[in-house]
This record gives sequence, structure tokens and C-alpha cells, in this order.
Amino acid sequence: QKEVEQDPGPLSVPEGAIVSLNCTYSNSAFQYFMWYRQYSRKGPELLMYTYSSGNKEDGRFTAQVDKSSKYISLFIRDSQPSDSATYLCALYTGTASKLTFGTGTRLQVTL
Amino acid sequence: AAGVIQSPRHLIKEKRETATLKCYPIPRHDTVYWYQQGPGQDPQFLISFYEKMQSDKGSIPDRFSAQQFSDYHSELNMSSLELGDSALYFCASSPDRRRGNEQFFGPGTRLTVL
Repeated sequence: QKEVEQDPGPLSVPEGAIVSLNCTYSNSAFQYFMWYRQYSRKGPELLMYTYSSGNKEDGRFTAQVDKSSKYISLFIRDSQPSDSATYLCALYTGTASKLTFGTGTRLQVTL
Repeated sequence: AAGVIQSPRHLIKEKRETATLKCYPIPRHDTVYWYQQGPGQDPQFLISFYEKMQSDKGSIPDRFSAQQFSDYHSELNMSSLELGDSALYFCASSPDRRRGNEQFFGPGTRLTVL
């Protein structure tokens, strides 16, 4: 079983919809929770990171962490076609160097 | 803003050949990370460097080696290439090793082994 589980999608939504992307994890040592956006054949782009349980907002993006349930989410409001990409959650313990990624959810926002 | 630079962007090699991938971190970032991403897979951590010293090691084959130089750029050397080494190789950098939650990725090098 992978340390981080993420629904691979694809997820198709109409423009303007609210998108919810989720990851679950099993290792309680993870302390930091990141969301990356990756366009096809490009490098992952850091969108947001959070440390504690609760919500963090940045423009149209809201990251939510529930450490007690080991569940993290990314919400995208007013989705745009330019949001079409693969979204990867990434978790970090704060001790080892590596990021542990989810498999990524492919999002398609249609006109 | 300056980003992580990787070269070459594409590389085609034959089996058993050698390849060298280069990474130039964001200015004033002293920590570098290497990841391998196979087709349809998530990035897998290979190795990291802080202040020119190896910091952490992941699932890096013994055929691969890496180092970080005095100007903080890093090189990943891959020998005896195998078909299974075909993948995207990403370099990431962070402001320092205590801020590994802020890893900024480069565009990647696409390695194809024939």
C-alpha cells in the first residue's frame, strides 16, 4: 500500500465549477502538505503548502488539512481551462529530504 | 523570477552508454534534489545535496552518482544505461535543507534509452 493515495481521475468539470482534489496518507510523521500542478511534459509547480490542520487560501485555491483523519484537499474555485493539468499532493516529514507524492489527479476544465 | 535550469532538456542514449544531467538551482538556494518520474508515475526521490555534501539518498541505483559543486550546481551521472532508465529526471532546489517543503522544480530532462 502506498503511503499517499490519490485518485488518478481523470476529472472533467465545466468552466466555473468548484473542483475538489483529495489525498489520504498513512504516515503520521508527515508534517508539511504541498500541492503541485504539473502541465504535460513540464516540471511540477508548487502551488501551496500548509503545516497545520485547517484551511489556507491563496486566490482561487484553498488547501485543507485534517491531520486527525490523515486527509488533505485542494479546492479550486471558478475553475478555468488553464487549470487543466495534473495536480499532485506531496507530503514532507521535515526530517528526510524527500517529498512523497501522490499519483496525481488529471483535471480537465471544459468550456 | 529565476527558476531551476536543467540541461539538456532531451537526451537520447543507447543501452550501456553514459549520460550526464546538469542542474542549476535558483540563485541563493543551497539545497538540490533529484527525482525520477516514469511514464504515468509520480516523481521518485533519488538523492539530495546540501552545501556540496550528500544530504539524503533515496532509490538511486548504484550505476548513478551525483555531486554538487562550489557554485551549487549539481550533476547526475548515469552509467551502463538500461531501457528502464528512460524517464523524466527533475531537479529541484530549496532555500536551505530545513525548508524542504519549498522545493521548486526545474523543467526536467527527458532521457530516452534505446
